[in-house]
This record gives sequence, C-alpha cells and structure tokens, in this order.
Amino acid sequence: AQSVTQLDSHVSVSEGTPVLLRCNYSSSYSPSLFWYVQHPNKGLQLLLKYTSAATLVKGINGFEAEFKKSETSFHLTKPSAHMSDAAEYFCVVSRYNQGGKLIFGQGTELSVKP
Amino acid sequence: GAGVSQSPRYKVAKRGQDVALRCDPISGHVSLFWYQQALGQGPEFLTYFQNEAQLDKSGLPSDRFFAERPEGSVSTLKIQRTQQEDSAVYLCASSLEGMNTEAFFGQGTRLTVV
Repeated sequence: AQSVTQLDSHVSVSEGTPVLLRCNYSSSYSPSLFWYVQHPNKGLQLLLKYTSAATLVKGINGFEAEFKKSETSFHLTKPSAHMSDAAEYFCVVSRYNQGGKLIFGQGTELSVKP
Repeated sequence: GAGVSQSPRYKVAKRGQDVALRCDPISGHVSLFWYQQALGQGPEFLTYFQNEAQLDKSGLPSDRFFAERPEGSVSTLKIQRTQQEDSAVYLCASSLEGMNTEAFFGQGTRLTVV
C-alpha cells in the first residue's frame, strides 16, 4: 500500500524568504514521488518528480525536492518565495515512474505575504 | 486541443438527479484517468481507461458512478441519483501511453448537489 502525509495544511511566508513544504510517504514498492501545484481555476501542474535517479530533484519555477529514503521524506523547497507561488501544493506517490495511478496527499496551501 | 478540456466547468444538481460530466483528452493520448477532489482534500483516483477499455475502476465509490469512453477519445463520467456527498471537483487527466507517461490534468468540473 502507498500513502503520503503532508505535515502542514497551511504555510505562510513573506516574499523573498525560503519555502519549505513537508511530505512523508509510505510505500511497499520502490516509489515514484511527485509534487503538483494547483492554482485557483487552473488544472494541476507537475512541478517535479523523483523516479529513482538523482535524489535531489529540480523542478520548474525554482522549486526542488530531496528524496530521503531513511526519513521517508520528500520535502519541497524554494530559496526565495514569489507572490505568484501562492497556491495549493500536493505531494503525490505512485508505483509507476511517470505517474499513472496517483495517490495524493491532503495538500498544503502556501500563502505569500508582500 | 492544446490541453485536457472538461465540461461543464460548474454543475448544480438537485439531489436524486442524474449528471454527466465530459472530458476531452489531449489528441492522441491513449490513457485517461478520472479523479474526485472533495473540498479541502487531495484528488482521489476513480477510474482508468486505455483507449476504450476500462482497465481499473477500483476507485468508483458506488454503483451509481459509471464511466465510459466508447471510441477511445472523449470520456463521460455519469453519476446517477446524485447525493450531497457527491459534491466535489471531478478531474480528468490524460497521458500519451499507459501508466508510465506523464498525466496532464484538466481544470475540472465542480459539482454541487443541493
């Protein structure tokens, strides 16, 4: 079985400060892990994915995530938040290396203050 | 079209009414997925098609939910005798081939049952 837990339902940062969105996973398979972003009235967009290659994964818009097997974590970070980063972020696990049947976390809402 | 298109974007149904939600996948995409996203939750898998074949319907919550993709392109998710707990955003995603290619999401249909 697979599952993900996003440790914060809401994170608020100031513009220009670092972002950290936390995710822990559970998987009986060697997992593939993803972060998706959902802006209001827009479809889910893939930010980045881990598929058992490099453990530090770089995505779009300056986001990156590090796969830590010993901690079963896949936290999302960005050095400097921008107002346009305000959105809902989902950590996702799958047994398929490009997605397929996706298992989503509950989501973390990111607010960015000016 | 350029992306996955879903219609209608919003649907209000009276309890007990039947509804049909449409998904137009990206042209040429073989695989199609439906997800249900309740308010404040992450999306949950409903069903998966490869061409016209429904290969996985393990996430459909009851026999009131039915999905089809008769010609391997457009898909319809039908909900019979709607109930208030069916209120959610229904997301469609398509991918080029099978479980191992990236899925692209539509904007969703927000269903409200009153």
